[in-house]
Amino acid sequence: GQNIDQPTEMTATEGAIVQINCTYQTSGFNGLFWYQQHAGEAPTFLSYNVLDGLEEKGRFSSFLSRSKGYSYLLLKELQMKDSASYLCAGDARPSGGYQKVTFGTGTKLQVIP
Amino acid sequence: DGGITQSPKYLFRKEGQNVTLSCEQNLNHDAMYWYRQDPGQGLRLIYYSQIVNDFQKGDIAEGYSVSREKKESFPLTVTSAQKNPTAFYLCASNPGAMGNQPQHFGDGTRLSIL
Repeated sequence: GQNIDQPTEMTATEGAIVQINCTYQTSGFNGLFWYQQHAGEAPTFLSYNVLDGLEEKGRFSSFLSRSKGYSYLLLKELQMKDSASYLCAGDARPSGGYQKVTFGTGTKLQVIP
Repeated sequence: DGGITQSPKYLFRKEGQNVTLSCEQNLNHDAMYWYRQDPGQGLRLIYYSQIVNDFQKGDIAEGYSVSREKKESFPLTVTSAQKNPTAFYLCASNPGAMGNQPQHFGDGTRLSIL
């Protein structure tokens, strides 16, 4: 099965940098997704990492270490609109079967002035 | 524009009643998923389907049923056996098993008990 862990809540200041960590234990691991979800809305895709290393996409970057079962999402130049939950999700093919995506509980980020 | 449509947006269920949540996609995706989200929680997988006429149980399938008779449709029935159905239900799709593609989500259905 899959086990995804991430902090429940974080607070950061507008204009600052914040790092949201995620650890995972997954059989048949393919890669790791990050999604953003504003309250009451559907999640929206941010990034997908399959290889080790850092992938940068504007103000958001995502890092993966397959050997350590570890990922993080880095948000730079924080804006008030970045206040949301950030969901880490493991992409796996258990026993070589169909793709299965398992989400963590999400990290609720509050950006303060 | 292509996308995923969930209906209704809000749904109320009486005790002992079955209700069906609709999910339709026009993205030509093979794979479709149903998740449940409780307040302050992440998404938990109920059922998923990678191909028409086939589906698999997720982590919390008890009290739910699905069908996949058409590629574009994946309705979820919340049965009376589900004793705590109040939650936000999200339907998602992606191209399928061979591609490591992100999931596209519908806007969700919020189900409450009367």
